[in-house]
Amino acid sequence: AQTVTQSQPEMSVQEAETVTLSCTYDTSESDYYLFWYKQPPSRQMILVIRQEAYKQQNATENRFSVNFQKAAKSFSLKISDSQLGDAAMYFCAYRSYEFRGSQGNLIFGKGTKLSVKP
Amino acid sequence: GAVVSQHPSWVICKSGTSVKIECRSLDFQATTMFWYRQFPKQSLMLMATSNEGSKATYEQGVEKDKFLINHASLTLSTLTVTSAHPEDSSFYICSARVGYYEQYFGPGTRLTVT
Repeated sequence: AQTVTQSQPEMSVQEAETVTLSCTYDTSESDYYLFWYKQPPSRQMILVIRQEAYKQQNATENRFSVNFQKAAKSFSLKISDSQLGDAAMYFCAYRSYEFRGSQGNLIFGKGTKLSVKP
Repeated sequence: GAVVSQHPSWVICKSGTSVKIECRSLDFQATTMFWYRQFPKQSLMLMATSNEGSKATYEQGVEKDKFLINHASLTLSTLTVTSAHPEDSSFYICSARVGYYEQYFGPGTRLTVT
C-alpha cells in the first residue's frame, strides 16, 4: 500500500520570504500522480499543484514550484515570495495512475500547518 | 474552474436522528464522487467512493449501514448519517472527479450531534 509522509507538522515563514514543505512517499508503482493541496481556515480544499511521475520537469504554478525526486520518492513544495494568504494547512497527496482496485483514491499525508508572519 | 457544492454547511442534530448531506457538481458531470471525514487538526480520511448508479465502495472500518451513500446522478451524491451519535460529530467533505485526474472538493459540512 502507498503511504505519504509529511514530517513537518508546522512551519513558519516571514512574509516575502521562501519556504519549502517536505513530503516523501512510498510506492511500488512506476506511474502515479502527486499533488499539493491547500486548506485555509475556511477548510475548502484547493489544488495548488500537480506532478505526473512520468514527467522529469518539475511543475510550477506562479509562486509555487515542486522539487520532484522520483528515485528518492520525495516531493517538496516551494513557496516563493510568501503572502499572508498562503497561511493554511498544506497536504501532500498521492494517486495511482491506474483506476483498478484503488479507484484512483487520493492518499493524503498528515499535513503541514504553515504560518506567515507579517 | 469546476465547482462542487455541499449542503448544508453546518448541521446540528440530536442523538438518534438521521441527517442527510448533499454534494453536487455544479458545472460538470462527475464520474466518481468521494466522501471524506476530517477530525480537527487531522488529515482527510476516505470513507467511501461512489460511481453513479452503482453501490458505494466503503473503506475498511466504515459502517455501511450507518453512513448511507446514494449516487443518484452524475451531479449528485448524498451521505446520510443514520442514528447519529456524538462520536459522529466531524467535518465531512465530498469530492468529485471529472476526467482522468481532476478532482474537486466541496466546502465541507460540519456535523454536530448533541
